[in-house]
Amino acid sequence: DTGVSQDPRHKITKRGQNVTFRCDPISEHNRLYWYRQTLGQGPEFLTYFQNEAQLEKSRLLSDRFSAERPKGSFSTLEIQRTEQGDSAMYLCASKGSGVLNTEAFFGQGTRLTVV
Amino acid sequence: SQQGEEDPQALSIQEGENATMNCSYKTSINNLQWYRQNSGRGLVHLILIRSNEREKHSGRLRVTLDTSKKSSSLLITASRAADTASYFCATEETSGSRLTFGEGTQLTVNP
Repeated sequence: DTGVSQDPRHKITKRGQNVTFRCDPISEHNRLYWYRQTLGQGPEFLTYFQNEAQLEKSRLLSDRFSAERPKGSFSTLEIQRTEQGDSAMYLCASKGSGVLNTEAFFGQGTRLTVV
Repeated sequence: SQQGEEDPQALSIQEGENATMNCSYKTSINNLQWYRQNSGRGLVHLILIRSNEREKHSGRLRVTLDTSKKSSSLLITASRAADTASYFCATEETSGSRLTFGEGTQLTVNP
């Protein structure tokens, strides 16, 4: 499978716990995005990497959220001290650079439930 | 605030009919893209139209873009029950590289 993969697909955690999600983008893509989506809403932008550099962060990304892409390949999104409002689908997407690489490819998402 | 806003929020049609969804946005864009999402799944790219293009076709899909009105429409012709899904427009702004999504249109095609 050469698409974007996310792990885990589902995560149930107790309020206050930390969680970490992983995204493996398409190997030749240098751009990687994280989005959050709640039921009935469109994806909300969280952050964006070009290679290992985190170039943009949304105001939605509070100090409890941190994302890394240490070697410019896979990325992790960590949520510390989870709250019930963090329950959502977390989507990762990757994209190549250049004029011809305009389509973003999405993973299947990680569904987080905070109880 | 959301860059893209889709209209209608929900659309229910019979198989064989055409479905039209509209999207409005606020800022200057490089391109506008339409994505489809089946319930609980990831998004799948459908079609992209660049800011210097006015119309584009792909199979049963037709997209138009009016940059003067900052709006786009997606037409699905001869709809099928399998087209039932949520459809989102997303804009790539000239100011950066993020894709900004609208709230989506939930399309239901009844057999």
